Amino acid sequence: QKEVEQNSGPLSVPEGAIASLNCTYSDRGSQSFFWYRQYSGKSPELIMFIYSNGDKEDGRFTAQLNKASQYVSLLIRDSQPSDSATYLCAVKLWGTYKYIFGTGTRLKVLA
Amino acid sequence: ETGVTQSPTHLIKTRGQQVTLRCSSQSGHNTVSWYQQALGQGPQFIFQYYREEENGRGNFPPRFSGLQFPNYSSELNVNALELDDSALYLCASSLDYGNTYNEQFFGPGTRLTVL
Repeated sequence: QKEVEQNSGPLSVPEGAIASLNCTYSDRGSQSFFWYRQYSGKSPELIMFIYSNGDKEDGRFTAQLNKASQYVSLLIRDSQPSDSATYLCAVKLWGTYKYIFGTGTRLKVLA
Repeated sequence: ETGVTQSPTHLIKTRGQQVTLRCSSQSGHNTVSWYQQALGQGPQFIFQYYREEENGRGNFPPRFSGLQFPNYSSELNVNALELDDSALYLCASSLDYGNTYNEQFFGPGTRLTVL
């Protein structure tokens, strides 16, 4: 079992719709969770982070965390073609040094 | 506030050669991590430096080595290059590695091609 799993996609949604990106992780010691957006040929850009169970909203983005189910998701409301990118989920264990990344989900927003 | 910078942006080497990649951390950050990202994959952790000491290492052979300097900038050195070393090398900086609540920010990356 991979430490961080994401569906590779592509996930295609029409412009204006809600895009839902999912991530599961295997280590129950994971304490913090990060979503990065990566455009083709570019480096990852931090979108959001979440530490506590529940929802965290930032503009059009909502991160959801369920530690019991070892599941974290990212919702993108009113999706735009400019949101088309690969979205990487990363987890970090408490007091450790490394972030473990999933392979990313490719999102395509259709105009 | 200055972001994370990396040099060079692109590099072409031949198998068996050695390469040095450089990274300047974001202003105020004392921790630098290096990642290798192959095409279609997520970033893979190589190692991390905290206050000039290697703080942790992923599953990479010893021919991957690094340094961190007093100003917290860092170098990644790869000896005896192999074809599979072709990848995007990413540097990320953060403040205080063990603190769960500190995010890390990536530089633009160095694209290494090994022929």
